[in-house]
Amino acid sequence: DGGITQSPKYLFRKEGQNVTLSCEQNLNHDAMYWYRQDPGQGLRLIYYSQIVNDFQKGDIAEGYSVSREKKESFPLTVTSAQKNPTAFYLCASKPATGYEQYFGPGTRLTVT
Amino acid sequence: DAKTTQPPSMDCAEGRAANLPCNHSTISGNEYVYWYRQIHSQGPQYIIHGLKNNETNEMASLIITEDRKSSTLILPHATLRDTAVYYCIVNRNAGGTSYGKLTFGQGTILTVHP
Repeated sequence: DGGITQSPKYLFRKEGQNVTLSCEQNLNHDAMYWYRQDPGQGLRLIYYSQIVNDFQKGDIAEGYSVSREKKESFPLTVTSAQKNPTAFYLCASKPATGYEQYFGPGTRLTVT
Repeated sequence: DAKTTQPPSMDCAEGRAANLPCNHSTISGNEYVYWYRQIHSQGPQYIIHGLKNNETNEMASLIITEDRKSSTLILPHATLRDTAVYYCIVNRNAGGTSYGKLTFGQGTILTVHP
């Protein structure tokens, strides 16, 4: 089945630790995105990538880093510099000439 | 991208049509209207999009006013599984080689009752 995989579904970390969230897609999509969602709120864009080895900051990139070494993979690292990392993180992808973003199931990160 | 305004919540009886409104009074000529929905604790799902004309697909219909300042998403026969948060988004990058940045507001919580 084609789709977007995010793992793990739930992740727990201690404050001060960096953590990397996985996002893999087998849809052959060029663009990939990371969003953050806080309770009762809409999604906010963290980073996006249009092609391999290129990515751009979104609206709330501080405290996050990404890489895009392969077309199918776009991992997100939540660094210790992110002041409020506890949130629901969503990865999405889109074909270059398409209209629809396809979302993964999300990773719920809890930092204590 | 233009800002959108949606009611925070709406109710609908199962089997009836659900009509979800969205105001986007500052929309510009090259901006599309998108609708996504998010069922609790899942990733959002694309529903439909349009520019000027009304659109229909297997999930819903999108009615855009002639001045394009508002639109309505219609779920013709709502089911319990349609209970979700519905997001109306205006975006100038509909496709092509654009990066397709979407700005999500708080959306409308639609509750479908038996």
